[in-house]
Amino acid sequence: ILNVEQSPQSLHVQEGDSTNFTCSFPSSNFYALHWYRWETAKSPEALFVMTLNGDEKKKGRISATLNTKEGYSYLYIKGSQPEDSATYLCAPLSGNTPLVFGKGTRLSVIA
Amino acid sequence: DSGVTQTPKHLITATGQRVTLRCSPRSGDLSVYWYQQSLDQGLQFLIQYYNGEERAKGNILERFSAQQFPDLHSELNLSSLELGDSALYFCASSVAGRQETQYFGPGTRLLVL
Repeated sequence: ILNVEQSPQSLHVQEGDSTNFTCSFPSSNFYALHWYRWETAKSPEALFVMTLNGDEKKKGRISATLNTKEGYSYLYIKGSQPEDSATYLCAPLSGNTPLVFGKGTRLSVIA
Repeated sequence: DSGVTQTPKHLITATGQRVTLRCSPRSGDLSVYWYQQSLDQGLQFLIQYYNGEERAKGNILERFSAQQFPDLHSELNLSSLELGDSALYFCASSVAGRQETQYFGPGTRLLVL
């Protein structure tokens, strides 16, 4: 089973701050990495699927980068808003394994 | 709204009982995935079906089974329920493979008393 680490576990930022968090995963047999956003009382919502080393994806104020050689991905949020408050999950795919979700980074944006 | 539907939304039952959770994937999606989220645990992958066939298996207990029908809806059967089976069960679907975006349903919250 893949070992997926997300840090920090939780984060409190002020509205307008930019923030970033990390997903670490084994780099061998890398296939793809998913990022999801999970708001309380809702279901996980896909943000990005990343496959290539050096990939950068952007959706509004949220962007992500991928380094498959060293086994990490960063998620950045620029100018955080209260509606960005959620748990951000990463899920790498490796070889023939199914998606393994990290425990997530819980972001709280204070107005 | 992801287009994935799950029924029922909530289920309360007793230990030893058996329940069936149902999932209808998005139109056109061939893959269905089941996940369990217990208290203090992340999303645990249970099983994947693709076009009616089991494709991948995760941490699914022997007391649990699933199937995908010709119309592509899927059912997750949980039997001999224990208190520890209380959890939120999500279904997700994707067009085909595990490398693609998965769209999650609203979940079924199961409480075993």
